[in-house]
This record gives sequence, C-alpha cells and structure tokens, in this order.
Amino acid sequence: KNQVEQSPQSLIILEGKNCTLQCNYTVSPFSNLRWYKQDTGRGPVSLTIMTFSENTKSNGRYTATLDADTKQSSLHITASQLSDSASYICVVEGYSSASKIIFGSGTRLSIRP
Amino acid sequence: ETGVTQTPRHLVMGMTNKKSLKCEQHLGHNAMYWYKQSAKKPLELMFVYNFKEQTENNSVPSRFSPECPNSSHLFLHLHTLQPEDSALYLCASRIIGTSGTDTQYFGPGTRLTVL
Repeated sequence: KNQVEQSPQSLIILEGKNCTLQCNYTVSPFSNLRWYKQDTGRGPVSLTIMTFSENTKSNGRYTATLDADTKQSSLHITASQLSDSASYICVVEGYSSASKIIFGSGTRLSIRP
Repeated sequence: ETGVTQTPRHLVMGMTNKKSLKCEQHLGHNAMYWYKQSAKKPLELMFVYNFKEQTENNSVPSRFSPECPNSSHLFLHLHTLQPEDSALYLCASRIIGTSGTDTQYFGPGTRLTVL
C-alpha cells in the first residue's frame, strides 16, 4: 500500500533555532516528492519539489533532501522565524496517473519567541 | 496568493440545505482537484478533472456533486450533508505535462460546518 509517514507529529522550537522534519514513503514507482507549508486556515503552499534524480533542493531557509534508495526525505529549516509556525506536509506522487498523489499527515511546527 | 481563489471562505449549513462551493483559477492550468481536510488527517482526494473531464471520483458520497464547466472553474455542490462532513475543503490546480513534476497550487479553502 502506498503510504507517506511524517515525523514528528508536532514540534516546538525556539526562534532562531534549526530543525529537521522527516518523511518516509512507500510509493512506487516514484515520480516526485514535494514539501508544502500550510498556515492555519489556509491552503498549502509549495516549498520544494524533487524528482528521483535530485537529492537536495533549497528555497531560502528551507532545504529538502531526498534519498530515493531508502525512500526518505527531510526538510531542514535554518534560523527559524515566528512566521515558520505552520504545518509542513510531505507529498509523494507516483507515475502513470495525475491523481496518484499521496499526502502525509503533516508535522505541526510551533516557533516560540 | 497562489492564483487559485475559493468562495465562500466560511460556510455554515444545516443538513437539509443545498449550497455550492466555487473555485477559480486563471493560471492556464488544465487539471483541477477537490480535497477534504479534516482535523489531524491527511488531505483526502475527492475529485479530479483533466481538461474539464472528470478522471477520478475517490468513492465520494453522492451528496457531494462536482461540476467543471470550463478549465478555469470548478464547483462542489452540497446536498443533505452530515455533521461529519464538516472540514476544510481545498481546491487545487496544476498543469498536467509530460514532465509530471508541475506542482499543485492550492486555494485558501472553504471552512464548512454542518449543523
């Protein structure tokens, strides 16, 4: 069964600190993996997208990594800011159909001043 | 702003009401999606439209009825809903191309409460 699992479910860190969120998946065959940020009450916004051949992608203070062999991805946030408080969702897409998109449950990140 | 708009942003309805959710995008995308997001659960795909044709109905109850009159607009008609249908309903769009790596753009969602 195609699954996407994220950890931790929630995380609290102090402003200015770094953190890393994890995503493990079993989707096969694999097309791409994306990380989204979702603020409370809003729609998800894309942060990064990586294909099978890519193992890192950066977007400002956000850096995503991908290990297609172990089927693991991480999202690293450096020098966290209060505005980083949100849910971060890992999404994996398989081949052959535009609708084979599997969402993780997300990690709820809270940044404390 | 992602370029995908949804109206209304909030909706409260009784179980006997009929209402509709609207989604609009002018990004030139050819695929549109409806998702349901309940508390602490992953987004659940409901419907997919490619080039105005419904390509997926993810076992959604018939009290939810989608409509896609053109590639820029998507509706979700609601009828005799249940309290457990209360959730955030998200619309998304994307370009379906040969690369398959085009990301989805999400609207802000409609927060639906069924009394």
